[in-house]
Amino acid sequence: GAGVSQTPSNKVTEKGKYVELRCDPISGHTALYWYRQSLGQGPEFLIYFQGTGAADDSGLPNDRFFAVRPEGSVSTLKIQRTERGDSAMYLCASSRAPKGTTDTQYFGPGTRLTVL
Amino acid sequence: KQEVTQIPAALSVPEGENLVLNCSFTDSAIYNLQWFRQDPGKGLTSLLLIQSSQREQTSGRLNASLDKSSGRSTLYIAASQPGDSATYLCAVRQGGSEKLVFGKGMKLTVNP
Repeated sequence: GAGVSQTPSNKVTEKGKYVELRCDPISGHTALYWYRQSLGQGPEFLIYFQGTGAADDSGLPNDRFFAVRPEGSVSTLKIQRTERGDSAMYLCASSRAPKGTTDTQYFGPGTRLTVL
Repeated sequence: KQEVTQIPAALSVPEGENLVLNCSFTDSAIYNLQWFRQDPGKGLTSLLLIQSSQREQTSGRLNASLDKSSGRSTLYIAASQPGDSATYLCAVRQGGSEKLVFGKGMKLTVNP
């Protein structure tokens, strides 16, 4: 079946603008994760959804970042008043398992965000 | 706070060598450890997942081991090929948490 997809693959915006990044998880996966990866670094956790609710948003850096998953499938990461430091690869992952069990997280191809 | 370290940051080897990639973590209270591969500008591909109760996992030319008490994992790649060239990332899932904590990765170049 289809893997995790993310759109757009690349996004270039100007400082101060608003952006939305979309993630389509693997069908039937209840858990969805967002990570951010800066150049030369490993991915850093942003937020985790179980179904429609954000079960852990401890990685969101500040209140300019927000994510939703209204129907428990597609998720959108929203960044307001973008700053140059937000430039990074944004990765989405999904997994089959409900909370508390172990399972593989499957990653999408990422969205490369560049803030000029 | 969990910290994951991968040393060295980069490795260049001739084709055919057997390789050992190292990963260490500071907090042994983990659910599992996962090894990923990342090609330039791309997402992550899961290679192997070892649950905390396991000692090793194998897939083809890859073998991953876990020593939870000492906070170490190794990824063994047999008979390396140029197509193995990529960045390899180690990540742990902390007990009581859903998030993965990643190392910075190790960039592997296998020369033909």
